[in-house]
This record gives sequence, structure tokens and C-alpha cells, in this order.
Amino acid sequence: GAVVSQHPSWVICKSGTSVKIECRSLDFQATTMFWYRQFPKQSLMLMATSNEGSKATYEQGVEKDKFLINHASLTLSTLTVTSAHPEDSSFYICSTNSGRGYEQFFGPGTRLTVL
Amino acid sequence: AQRVTQPEKLLSVFKGAPVELKCNYSYSGSPELFWYVQYSRQRLQLLLRHISRESIKGFTADLNKGETSFHLKKPFAQEEDSAMYYCALSVRGLKGYSSASKIIFGSGTRLSIRP
Repeated sequence: GAVVSQHPSWVICKSGTSVKIECRSLDFQATTMFWYRQFPKQSLMLMATSNEGSKATYEQGVEKDKFLINHASLTLSTLTVTSAHPEDSSFYICSTNSGRGYEQFFGPGTRLTVL
Repeated sequence: AQRVTQPEKLLSVFKGAPVELKCNYSYSGSPELFWYVQYSRQRLQLLLRHISRESIKGFTADLNKGETSFHLKKPFAQEEDSAMYYCALSVRGLKGYSSASKIIFGSGTRLSIRP
């Protein structure tokens, strides 16, 4: 299957700072990537769909100015949590499909802790 | 509205017993349904999808459009089946092709197999 990586795997930051999370497709070109957040013992909630070369599509209730998404190349999408607050602490997961079908391939996730 | 419902947060059965994880969906279009699994400390991965009608690791799932269900079943549970299971619905984006589809997840069911 396709390989998706995320960096960093774990980050701690102070309240008010911004944090950038990278999602890379390692062995294929991904025109579309998805960003999810997962609270402890809860399901994955889709935040936004990242489209290469165009604006991301955000789900209802997700602040686009808070969660900036950039998909500048076919192998990289970034999620920047701006002015992070403790309530933004969560597990952020990206995914994509390889374009050959419906199967989604997930990254290992990034755990964000905002102090 | 698009929704995936997994009524059981936790399901605990003995090794060798049959397993059924329930999933119901709500979607106005033609559904594309999946089961994803997340083993301890591993990333989310696809278990099976209704299109392929295959059996993976002894698990099967049949789409019942009349009951809008996609329950996951296994006749004899094994200890290594212990994991978090998510039922998921693929929803086509406005463009109408697979790369623009997004996944909506159910809340997940933790399956625990007792020895």
C-alpha cells in the first residue's frame, strides 16, 4: 500500500504559538489529502480536504484562519495550528488515497500538546 | 445527512466466540462503505470494503441497503483481533470522482478478545 508520513510525531508548544505539521506521500503523488483530528477515545473527525494547487475545503465548524492548510506540491500538505490554545491539544492525522481507488492511507498521526 | 453510527463503544467476547460489530449509515447517494482497524500503537488501516466482498483475517461485512447496515462479522474471534474498529462511509465530493471523496467515520468500537 501507499506510504504516508507525518512530522513531527509529537509536539509540545506554549499557548499562543503556532505549530506546523507536515504530511507527505512517499511513493505516489497525492492531489488530495485529508486532515483529521482525534480526541482521546473518540473517533476521527474530518477537518478539511487539502487540494494541491488550490484552497482547502473546510468542514463545518472548523476555523480556516485557525487551521491553515497548504498543499503546495503533490507530495506535501501542511497544517498550521495558529495561536494554539490548550483546547487545540489533540491527535492530528492526515490521509490520502493513491488515486487508484477508494482506499485511504493514513499517516501515523501527530500528537499536539498545548501548555 | 451523512452519518455513520456504531452503537457499541466496547465489545468484549471470549476467544473462539463469534463477533459482530454493528454499523448503520445514513446517506442519500449510493454508499461506499469500509471497515478500518487500528491496532494498539499502530496507524489506522483498511480492513475491508463492501465493493470487494472479500474476507480479510476471517472478517466479512455485507451491505444491507434495506436496513442501511454494514455489520462486521467473524465466526471465531482470535486474541489478535483485539483493536479499535471504525466503520466508514465514502462520500463523493462535488467533482464526483474518487480522488475527491472524503471519509466519514463512525465513533468506533473497541473489540476486546478474552483468552
